[in-house]
Amino acid sequence: AQTVTQSQPEMSVQEAETVTLSCTYDTSESNYYLFWYKQPPSRQMILVIRQEAYKQQNATENRFSVNFQKAAKSFSLKISDSQLGDTAMYFCAYLYSGAGSYQLTFGKGTKLSVIP
Amino acid sequence: DTAVSQTPKYLVTQMGNDKSIKCEQNLGHDTMYWYKQDSKKFLKIMFSYNNKELIINETVPNRFSPKSPDKAHLNLHINSLELGDSAVYFCASSQIHGPYEQYFGPGTRLTVT
Repeated sequence: AQTVTQSQPEMSVQEAETVTLSCTYDTSESNYYLFWYKQPPSRQMILVIRQEAYKQQNATENRFSVNFQKAAKSFSLKISDSQLGDTAMYFCAYLYSGAGSYQLTFGKGTKLSVIP
Repeated sequence: DTAVSQTPKYLVTQMGNDKSIKCEQNLGHDTMYWYKQDSKKFLKIMFSYNNKELIINETVPNRFSPKSPDKAHLNLHINSLELGDSAVYFCASSQIHGPYEQYFGPGTRLTVT
């Protein structure tokens, strides 16, 4: 079974600084998708960024970028120029689209606090 | 316009009652899901529906039953509620043939007393 591990339960960063959240996963598949979701105190789950495993280029979305290391099964999220609104739980998620299964497998999350 | 909506957002009820949570998506997606987030914030898939067919059913008690009247709606019905059912329930949707990102509703916080 696929597993997703986020080894940092909590992190903090000063406003305007850069922070990296770690995620590792375990899978025997070669084609899959990885996501980072953000859950602010409002509870809403917000998609931050996605990465297709077949793409070597790391995904970027404005201040958010990933470091995808397929061989190491590592998928870290870098947040640049941190803002107060980035304070949230961040979940790493894995999806394998084969065999009729489309479920997201989530890590346990990292609680990020941005300090003014 | 809200992409994925759920009602109600809060639900407080007593043990043994039966309740339903409604979900609707206006994204034109063909697959919908229910996730449960426990008190430790862990998210786990419960069900998914594609074209009105159940394609995933994790180890969920049969007191929980998803019902999909059409591909834009996936409701969750819970019978004989137990204290352990207290959690936040999220509905989500996606396209089965890609892109695979799932879009979530605002969640329903269920409290069983």
